[in-house]
Amino acid sequence: GQNIDQPTEMTATEGAIVQINCTYQTSGFNGLFWYQQHAGEAPTFLSYNVLDGLEEKGRFSSFLSRSKGYSYLLLKELQMKDSASYLCAVRDSNYQLIWGAGTKLIIKP
Amino acid sequence: IAGITQAPTSQILAAGRRMTLRCTQDMRHNAMYWYRQDLGLGLRLIHYSNTAGTTGKGEVPDGYSVSRANTDDFPLTLASAVPSQTSVYFCASSEEAGAPDTQYFGPGTRLTVL
Repeated sequence: GQNIDQPTEMTATEGAIVQINCTYQTSGFNGLFWYQQHAGEAPTFLSYNVLDGLEEKGRFSSFLSRSKGYSYLLLKELQMKDSASYLCAVRDSNYQLIWGAGTKLIIKP
Repeated sequence: IAGITQAPTSQILAAGRRMTLRCTQDMRHNAMYWYRQDLGLGLRLIHYSNTAGTTGKGEVPDGYSVSRANTDDFPLTLASAVPSQTSVYFCASSEEAGAPDTQYFGPGTRLTVL
């Protein structure tokens, strides 16, 4: 079966750095996405990786290793507004997105 | 209208009733999707449409139907609602299915079936 694993919840301190991991086992691979979802709101796109390596976008970076079935989202200089759930999703061989359950990130002052 | 809109925002429904969730996008995207989101689970695809006039089944299609008469609208119908369909429903769209492009989500409909 297809599976996306992420930690359920993480806590970090304002101004610090946090890394959210995602491991996947899917039928085929056509890219990995990270989305942010604030409580009660819709998911919004953060990043996309299809090749191995690091993609940097401001305070957020995303890393992919296809051979290991592994990705992480790195958030730097954490702000209170970064408190949200972070969803990892993999596009499979049918070009459908398979979603992880999300990681709830709690930022403390 | 800007982006994707969904209606209603929330609904409480008696079991056995018929309900249509509406979704409209103004981005001229070809592909549209319906997901449900339940606590502790990832988003699960119900139905999708790669282009107007075509639809397909996702991971959890039973009890739901869709239509895609035009590019902008993608309604989701529950023919006879059951309590297990209590969930938050998100509609999404992307420029093209099968391309590495982003899915944009509507604000969601919170549905409670009693």
